[in-house]
Formats: sequence, structure tokens, C-alpha cells
Amino acid sequence: GQNIDQPTEMTATEGAIVQINCTYQTSGFNGLFWYQQHAGEAPTFLSYNVLDGLEEKGRFSSFLSRSKGYSYLLLKELQMKDSASYLCAVRGYSGGYQKVTFGTGTKLQVIP
Amino acid sequence: GAGVSQSPSNKVTEKGKDVELRCDPISGHTALYWYRQSLGQGLEFLIYFQGNSAPDKSGLPSDRFSAERTGGSVSTLTIQRTQQEDSAVYLCASSFSPQQVPSGGYTFGSGTRLTVV
Repeated sequence: GQNIDQPTEMTATEGAIVQINCTYQTSGFNGLFWYQQHAGEAPTFLSYNVLDGLEEKGRFSSFLSRSKGYSYLLLKELQMKDSASYLCAVRGYSGGYQKVTFGTGTKLQVIP
Repeated sequence: GAGVSQSPSNKVTEKGKDVELRCDPISGHTALYWYRQSLGQGLEFLIYFQGNSAPDKSGLPSDRFSAERTGGSVSTLTIQRTQQEDSAVYLCASSFSPQQVPSGGYTFGSGTRLTVV
């Protein structure tokens, strides 16, 4: 099966940097995704990692260590609009098929 | 279409009634997924379609839940004899298959908010 852990809530200050961690256990790992979800809206795709290392995309970066079953999402120069839930999702094999499992999400509150 | 379309956007139903939720995926996306999100919770996987077949139905919570997909496009999620615990936002997502685009992130629809009273 697949198991994903991430903090439930975090608070950070506008203009600062915040790191949201995600640890996972899965069989047949085949990629890790980060999604952003504003309250009352559908999740939107942020990043994808399948190899170890850091992927940078503007103010957002995502890191993966497959050997440690660990990823983080780094948000720089925080803006008020970054207040949202951030979902870590892992793709692995389950029952012979690739399956994406989502974590419960980290609710980030950005304060002035 | 340009995005994943779900209907209705909101549905209020009486306990015991049947409901049908519809998902129209992005044209060309062969994979389609249904998730359920209860208030303040993460996404709970329900079912996955590749084309018209559902290789993974492991997330359907009970036999009151069923889903089908026709023509490799539109999917319908049916909940029979609804219960209050079925109240949630039902999200549909589509993607190219991982074999086609390994990094193909899902595109989610806006969801159907189901309230069972």
C-alpha cells in the first residue's frame, strides 16, 4: 500500500520562506507530485519529481530523495495569495496498476 | 474540452435517494479518476479508469457506489440510497496515461458538492 505523511498546518510571514515536508512509503515508486488547493477550489498541479534532486519553478521548488522517501516543497517570497492547502501525492504500483495517492494536505496560512 | 467539466456543481438530495454525478474529461486524456474530499480532509481515491475499463475500483466505499465510462470520454459516478456520510465534494481528474506523459499531472474539475439531508 501507500502511506503519506505531511504536517497538518503551518503559518508563515509574508515575504518569508517556508518548507513543507512530505514523507512517504510506497511500492514501485514512480513519481511525486505537489498540488495547491485554495479553499473551495479544485487542486492545481504545481510540480513533479521522479529523480532525486531539486526542481525549481519560479518561487516554488520541490525536492525529492527516493532513498529516504522524502520530499519538500519550498515557497519563497511568500505572498498572501499563497495561503492554501498543499497536497503531496505519490504515484506507485498497487494491484498491478499505477496509482496516485494523495496526502491529507498541509494548510498554510500566510500572515502579514 | 478545454478543461475537466463536472456537473452538477452542487447537489442536495434526500437520504435514500440515488444521485448521478457526471465528469467530462479533457479531450485526449485516456485516464480518469474519481476522488472524494470531505470537509477539511484530503483526497480519498474512489476509482480509476483507463479508457472504458476500471482496473482499480478499490476505493469505492460500498456497493452503493458504482461508476462507468463510455466512449473513453464521459464518466458517471452513481451513488444509490444516499446516506448522510456520503456528503462531500466529489472531484474528477483526467490525465494522459503515465506511459504517454510520465509527468502528466492531473487536471481536476471543479467538483460536485453533494449534500445529503
